[in-house]
Amino acid sequence: KAGVTQTPRYLIKTRGQQVTLSCSPISGHRSVSWYQQTPGQGLQFLFEYFSETQRNKGNFPGRFSGRQFSNSRSEMNVSTLELGDSALYLCASSLQVGIGRLAGISGELFFGEGSRLTVL
Amino acid sequence: AQKVTQAQTEISVVEKEDVTLDCVYETRDTTYYLFWYKQPPSGELVFLIRRNSFDEQNEISGRYSWNFQKSTSSFNFTITASQVVDSAVYFCALSEAQNQGGKLIFGQGTELSVKP
Repeated sequence: KAGVTQTPRYLIKTRGQQVTLSCSPISGHRSVSWYQQTPGQGLQFLFEYFSETQRNKGNFPGRFSGRQFSNSRSEMNVSTLELGDSALYLCASSLQVGIGRLAGISGELFFGEGSRLTVL
Repeated sequence: AQKVTQAQTEISVVEKEDVTLDCVYETRDTTYYLFWYKQPPSGELVFLIRRNSFDEQNEISGRYSWNFQKSTSSFNFTITASQVVDSAVYFCALSEAQNQGGKLIFGQGTELSVKP
């Protein structure tokens, strides 16, 4: 079974540009979440999509946005890039097996290898 | 507020030593999940274990074991007889049920170096 696929793996942009990153979840997974990893801030949650709806959102400015398509593939976009946006962006997919606090199991998150963005 | 603290930034051991990675969490939710992930140099986060807040039973998987204590809000990870291949960054993470599992709060990570 194919894992989570993220493209592109590496990219270099300049300040002020925008970037779109793509994530293809494991087949059958409907939840996709995004994380930013930097040496200073560590792993930080960006947002999560489930059935094409944003369900959770982290504390990032509006320049960071995302969406999910009907086939569960997801994209995230960062506009007006800043030097501080240089990071490894990780996508994770999950097979939701429970609902809220009545769930006995929280879906395990499977991560992709990430997209490494460098902003010059 | 939800928070995960991994006080050990770096640990260095010699092969075959036992090593324990500490994790302390904070949450107001009564239903939550705790995770450990391993991140090798390739960057991909590899799932190791998941525990829900109603199951305090400790778990052993080969050389890995986990000690979950709600009384001290800790979820520690022990590697027995460490090997060079265990060298990686290890993350502890928390997911609250109110977020329905899709949002993980990670600790800062512990970089483990196992020397031959």
